[in-house]
Amino acid sequence: DVKVTQSSRYLVKRTGEKVFLECVQDMDHENMFWYRQDPGLGLRLIYFSYDVKMKEKGDIPEGYSVSREKKERFSLILESASTNQTSMYLCASTPGLRPYEQYFGPGTRLTVT
Amino acid sequence: QKEVEQDPGPLSVPEGAIVSLNCTYSNSAFQYFMWYRQYSRKGPELLMYTYSSGNKEDGRFTAQVDKSSKYISLFIRDSQPSDSATYLCAMSPLRTSYDKVIFGPGTSLSVIP
Repeated sequence: DVKVTQSSRYLVKRTGEKVFLECVQDMDHENMFWYRQDPGLGLRLIYFSYDVKMKEKGDIPEGYSVSREKKERFSLILESASTNQTSMYLCASTPGLRPYEQYFGPGTRLTVT
Repeated sequence: QKEVEQDPGPLSVPEGAIVSLNCTYSNSAFQYFMWYRQYSRKGPELLMYTYSSGNKEDGRFTAQVDKSSKYISLFIRDSQPSDSATYLCAMSPLRTSYDKVIFGPGTSLSVIP
């Protein structure tokens, strides 16, 4: 059973803080993704990575950066948190040969005050 | 116009009803069409995927794709209270690793016992 875990279920941070969200998958998947999910807007892709140390911008990368030093781990960094980054953050991974099969983590509900 | 449109609902049906969930899209390059189910406070999970046009059945669930109309549907037969969730359609060309998956905003479904 594929498992994608995220470091926190709920986080509350202050404006201007640096925030780290970590994602780990245990199925040796090549591709990993970070999304944010907001009511009425659906899932929006922030960044993705198809290999270690590789990263590609998604649709809304501004204010975020990522790191992938190991195949199983993909980190999302909010350099200076702002209130408009309050959201649900979802990590996902896919096997290279079945890119339509995204496995999601449980999500991190981030509130920036 | 958004690339993928989906009626957000909420949709409320009695147990045993047939449910029809729909999405429309504008990008004719989409070839893979997925349906994800998301329970409250959980990450989405893949229900079914279809490649190109046609129907696909899995138990009580049937996915239908009409590329000529740019319209996809998910039918749930004999709906159960455990089907209560948000259903997200998703689609992509998936010709390369760089092709993103675009998600609809989701339809919230409640099946009333």
